[in-house]
Amino acid sequence: QVQLQQWGAGLLKPSETLSLTCAVYGGSFSGYYWSWIRQPPGKGLEWIGEINHSGSTNYNPSLKSRVTISVDTSKNQFSLKLSSVTAADTAVYYCARGIVVVVAATPYYYYMDVWGKGTTVTVSS
Amino acid sequence: QSALTQPASVSGSPGQSITISCTGTSSDVGSYNLVSWYQQHPGKAPKLMIYEVSKRPSGVSNRFSGSKSGNTASLTISGLQAEDEADYYCCSYAGSSTSWVFGGGTKLTVL
Repeated sequence: QVQLQQWGAGLLKPSETLSLTCAVYGGSFSGYYWSWIRQPPGKGLEWIGEINHSGSTNYNPSLKSRVTISVDTSKNQFSLKLSSVTAADTAVYYCARGIVVVVAATPYYYYMDVWGKGTTVTVSS
Repeated sequence: QSALTQPASVSGSPGQSITISCTGTSSDVGSYNLVSWYQQHPGKAPKLMIYEVSKRPSGVSNRFSGSKSGNTASLTISGLQAEDEADYYCCSYAGSSTSWVFGGGTKLTVL
């Protein structure tokens, strides 16, 4: 049974860089797209970005200028960095496994079937 | 990258059925049978309930069903139980340049 374990700093000051890591246990790392999603307090889910085992990334256009997602296949881990954080970045951050089927070089996004437990990140001076 | 539209809240009594709608456009929900639904209890991570419009993952109760008509997908929960009280989110593929698009979420209250 695949499990995602995530960790990272939970309290940041404005302008600092958020850094989170998600480790994949009990399953294959390749063949999937690995996403980061966040949820501000009392609000809905916002997709941040994703990476596959080859290191190919896609980002939410609204966050693209500040986001970097990387992968370490030797450890079955992927990481999120979000620079220049503000109070608006305060949220619970989740990692998740995405089922994506590539047909003729076009990715089709099916669903996210495994989620991490979430990491609460607070940005405050 | 516009969010899909869901009602903010729905409610029902135990044993009743409720339906949550998820309205998109001809570029997302209307074009692909790639709508998924997630249940989220307070303080917990989302859980996949429905995928590819109407398929249920192993272990999900058959009280949960999904459908789609035009640009609107729907999640129906029959035989409501207290444990169904949660937030529900829809998600759809919206083309190769957009990746994942979520709905704003619907709070289900079991009266």
